Amino acid sequence: DGGITQSPKYLFRKEGQNVTLSCEQNLNHDAMYWYRQDPGQGLRLIYYSQIVNDFQKGDIAEGYSVSREKKESFPLTVTSAQKNPTAFYLCASGEGTANTEAFFGQGTRLTVV
Amino acid sequence: GQSLEQPSEVTAVEGAIVQINCTYQTSGFYGLSWYQQHDGGAPTFLSYNALDGLEETGRFSSFLSRSDSYGYLLLQELQMKDSASYFCAVIDAGKSTFGDGTTLTVKP
Repeated sequence: DGGITQSPKYLFRKEGQNVTLSCEQNLNHDAMYWYRQDPGQGLRLIYYSQIVNDFQKGDIAEGYSVSREKKESFPLTVTSAQKNPTAFYLCASGEGTANTEAFFGQGTRLTVV
Repeated sequence: GQSLEQPSEVTAVEGAIVQINCTYQTSGFYGLSWYQQHDGGAPTFLSYNALDGLEETGRFSSFLSRSDSYGYLLLQELQMKDSASYFCAVIDAGKSTFGDGTTLTVKP
């Protein structure tokens, strides 16, 4: 079945440690996106990539980094510079670059203690 | 920048019709999308409007007025499974900006 896979579903890390969240898609989509969701709030864009080896900052990129070495993969690293990293992280992909319809993974809930 | 407003909560009874409004202020605008998210789950795409008017998909319809910077999602024949959060999202330059979501509670 085609889709987007995020792993792991739950992740715990100690403060000060970097952590990488995985996102893989087999939908052959060009564009991929990372969002952060805090309780009771909408999704805020962290980074997005519309083509391999290229990506752009979203609205809240500080403290995060990404890479897009393969079309299928768009990992997100939450660095120690991110001041409040505990959140629900959602990866999405879209056909083309218009982003009119995004397909989301099941999310990773990151807790930093 | 972009800002979107939608009601935080809506409650309706099974079988009823409910309308969730979304107003936006944006520097650029390509279209308006709607997503449904059940608690703790992945958002799923419901509809997209690029032009003024009504788009119908089964029990769900979405409306857009570009001149009024306004749209709404209409849910008909409400079912218990429709209890979820609903987000509008403005599309511009290949990016989506989401509203804070409307929590819909459907009561028997």
